[in-house]
Amino acid sequence: DIQVTQSPSSLSASVGDRVTITCRASQTISSYLNWYQQKPGKAPKLLIYAASSLQSGVPSRFSGSGSGTDFTLTISSLQPEDFATYYCQQSDSTPQMYTFGQGTKLEIK
Amino acid sequence: EVQLVQSGAEVKKPGESLKISCKGSGYRFTNYWIGWVRQMSGKGLEWMGIIYPGDSDTRYSPSFQGQVTISADKSISTAYLQWSSLKASDTAMYYCARRDSSGWYFFDYWGQGSLVTVSS
Repeated sequence: DIQVTQSPSSLSASVGDRVTITCRASQTISSYLNWYQQKPGKAPKLLIYAASSLQSGVPSRFSGSGSGTDFTLTISSLQPEDFATYYCQQSDSTPQMYTFGQGTKLEIK
Repeated sequence: EVQLVQSGAEVKKPGESLKISCKGSGYRFTNYWIGWVRQMSGKGLEWMGIIYPGDSDTRYSPSFQGQVTISADKSISTAYLQWSSLKASDTAMYYCARRDSSGWYFFDYWGQGSLVTVSS
């Protein structure tokens, strides 16, 4: 099965900072990598799909890049509402195992 | 408007059975896979399995194979996650999510979650 390793597990940053979170797959997954944001007590929300495509309605300060095994999520200028936990998920559909990364908790410095 | 509405919180005893539900609306339910995700308190997201309501084709994560059963009733646009004998370790929030059909296999709509508490 494909494993995904996300780093860092936690991150402190300030409003206005540029932040990068990385995700590494245990084998090549082309661009089958998605990013989700989860706030306390809420369901995850899709931010980025297919490694770099911005989901409708998501602010343009969020961006994704990468292909193969190495991927990044970048928030260009942190806003107060961005403090949350972020998860990557590989979606190589064979054999329909959509493994999540361990999560990155983004906290206010 | 696409919506996935899950059943409410449950409190059960170890050994009891349980079936929670996820009702889809605002789209053709039979044409999209529905996945289930577990989140234990303070922990990350764990992929459990997925079902295609059109023909009930179901796949499980090895970690959950044999521990839960995923099913669907397309006549009422509802997917289910069930346990035959709950354990305390099944205490968690459970989410259903719709898999997009574009070919990139992301999960674009999520239910609000169903909290399951198993305690004697």
